Amino acid sequence: DSGVTQTPKHLITATGQRVTLRCSPRSGDLSVYWYQQSLDQGLQFLIQYYNGEERAKGNILERFSAQQFPDLHSELNLSSLELGDSALYFCASSVGARADTQYFGPGTRLTVL
Amino acid sequence: SQQGEEDPQALSIQEGENATMNCSYKTSINNLQWYRQNSGRGLVHLILIRSNEREKHSGRLRVTLDTSKKSSSLLITASRAADTASYFCATVHPSGYALNFGKGTSLLVTP
Repeated sequence: DSGVTQTPKHLITATGQRVTLRCSPRSGDLSVYWYQQSLDQGLQFLIQYYNGEERAKGNILERFSAQQFPDLHSELNLSSLELGDSALYFCASSVGARADTQYFGPGTRLTVL
Repeated sequence: SQQGEEDPQALSIQEGENATMNCSYKTSINNLQWYRQNSGRGLVHLILIRSNEREKHSGRLRVTLDTSKKSSSLLITASRAADTASYFCATVHPSGYALNFGKGTSLLVTP
């Protein structure tokens, strides 16, 4: 158990819908990262927050957004969902702003029908 | 975009044998890390090697790094069935914040 929690575990929804994925980092970790894992694209970095502020952006679509709250939990919002958004979404956390060891949550499996 | 590329894509060995996986990357790095992922589960950090290190050990794991060739290898000695998983290398650019993962090596260890 990494100490990172993600909810929900599974999410099934329809195209055009909007969903919110939630992540709670390990106690004491200030950085939260979001990754998307799909068969064709592999593991892709989406976005990082550090202590409430956006720190780095990766291959995140404009339809996706995220935020980190004062209690350090984070939410990833996916809107206008398409079939291709079906993937495993992982949250990871680390102590500092720079990416040393990251601790991954169990992931949320999103299926868009 | 993928930074690291693991080789081979898949590896099948018997318990007790050693498993070697390789990773090549394209740009300068601050450090390189190896992660393991059991099917459909989260990634677990195995080992981190910094750009000024050449070799590192952790239990049955041995990692090497050759920055001149932009490559790393992960050796698992005396493999066990429980080592069956996908293994990913991940690099961190000196000015970067996040991990850039390769596509992984799928390791199957049969009893």
